[in-house]
Amino acid sequence: RKEVEQDPGPFNVPEGATVAFNCTYSNSASQSFFWYRQDCRKEPKLLMSVYSSGNEDGRFTAQLNRASQYISLLIRDSKLSDSATYLCVVNMGGGSNYKLTFGKGTLLTVNP
Amino acid sequence: NAGVTQTPKFRILKIGQSMTLQCTQDMNHNYMYWYRQDPGMGLKLIYYSVGAGITDKGEVPNGYNVSRSTTEDFPLRLELAAPSQTSVYFCASSHQGANYGYTFGSGTRLTVV
Repeated sequence: RKEVEQDPGPFNVPEGATVAFNCTYSNSASQSFFWYRQDCRKEPKLLMSVYSSGNEDGRFTAQLNRASQYISLLIRDSKLSDSATYLCVVNMGGGSNYKLTFGKGTLLTVNP
Repeated sequence: NAGVTQTPKFRILKIGQSMTLQCTQDMNHNYMYWYRQDPGMGLKLIYYSVGAGITDKGEVPNGYNVSRSTTEDFPLRLELAAPSQTSVYFCASSHQGANYGYTFGSGTRLTVV
């Protein structure tokens, strides 16, 4: 199993659609979880942390299932400005507590 | 605050040349990192540092060196550049390891020809 694995995408959706991204991670001892957004030819930027109880930030909802080692990101009412690559990111914990491990990313294009 | 600043933004190197990618942060973060990102691939950790004077290898350190003489600066040195080092390089920093995410610099796009 890859350390952090995401839907390969790409996703093409119309404005206003709801889109969900899925991610799995290999290490059950992983400690913290994030979704980052990366625009074309730009640096990754933190979108939101993912908490065990699930959390929401406006149109974005993140869920964590530790038993299944699964993370998700739901975007409701998609906007053109949501077009970007979404990176699933995990702190594997233990001896690797200092670093984050990144998935390859899922490209989202929101069409008018 | 400037955050994490990387220079240069773009560079073309010839095979065998050397260069230093500069990274500086003004947030007094202890942890600093260098990642490379190849097309269609996730970010791969090259080197990291948990504080001034302390550095360690990541997943893909071969062909690179780093130093951390101050809290603010974490330069990445490429010796004898090879085409396989063509990539986008990101420097990042964090205050308390990885539990609160990173702040990234804007990247250096390097081409080795």
